[in-house]
Amino acid sequence: GAGVSQTPSNKVTEKGKYVELRCDPISGHTALYWYRQSLGQGPEFLIYFQGTGAADDSGLPNDRFFAVRPEGSVSTLKIQRTERGDSAVYLCASSLYASDSYEQYFGPGTRLTVT
Amino acid sequence: GQNIDQPTEMTATEGAIVQINCTYQTSGFNGLFWYQQHAGEAPTFLSYNVLDGLEEKGRFSSFLSRSKGYSYLLLKELQMKDSASYLCAVKDSNYQLIWGAGTKLIIKP
Repeated sequence: GAGVSQTPSNKVTEKGKYVELRCDPISGHTALYWYRQSLGQGPEFLIYFQGTGAADDSGLPNDRFFAVRPEGSVSTLKIQRTERGDSAVYLCASSLYASDSYEQYFGPGTRLTVT
Repeated sequence: GQNIDQPTEMTATEGAIVQINCTYQTSGFNGLFWYQQHAGEAPTFLSYNVLDGLEEKGRFSSFLSRSKGYSYLLLKELQMKDSASYLCAVKDSNYQLIWGAGTKLIIKP
């Protein structure tokens, strides 16, 4: 079956612009996670959804970042007024459930560059 | 605060054995994961430990001691394709994964 997919794979934008990053999780997975990763670092948690609702958004750095998952499947991460510090690889992951041993399956990521 | 520590970089020889250590301090514990990440690629799942002891899976084994807040990943019969970063992550009381910065493993012929 298909894995987690993310679009676009690369996004270059100018400082101050708005961007949307899309994630298609594995079919049937109820939990969806957004992370960002800088070179030489582990993934940094942003937000996770259980179904349609954001179960934990404590990792969103500020109110310029917002994410939705309206039908409990596809999710979109939205960044307003982008800043150069937002440049990173944005990873999406999904798991069957959020609890315990269920592993997270990662998508290939979106490399965001803010110039 | 929550903290995961692992060495930044390790070097080993093809065919040898290497042990990558991870220590953690988290609010709650719902399991420890090891992931492999090749450069420019997404992390892929290697192992999961929730009880103390050793879990073996082919050439890879993972050990956990909850009382010591300690885990290690053991890689045997190293192959060149094992050159990658190895990430330790702990699921906390909110079922959120807390990640280490990763250990870059360099395999030399």
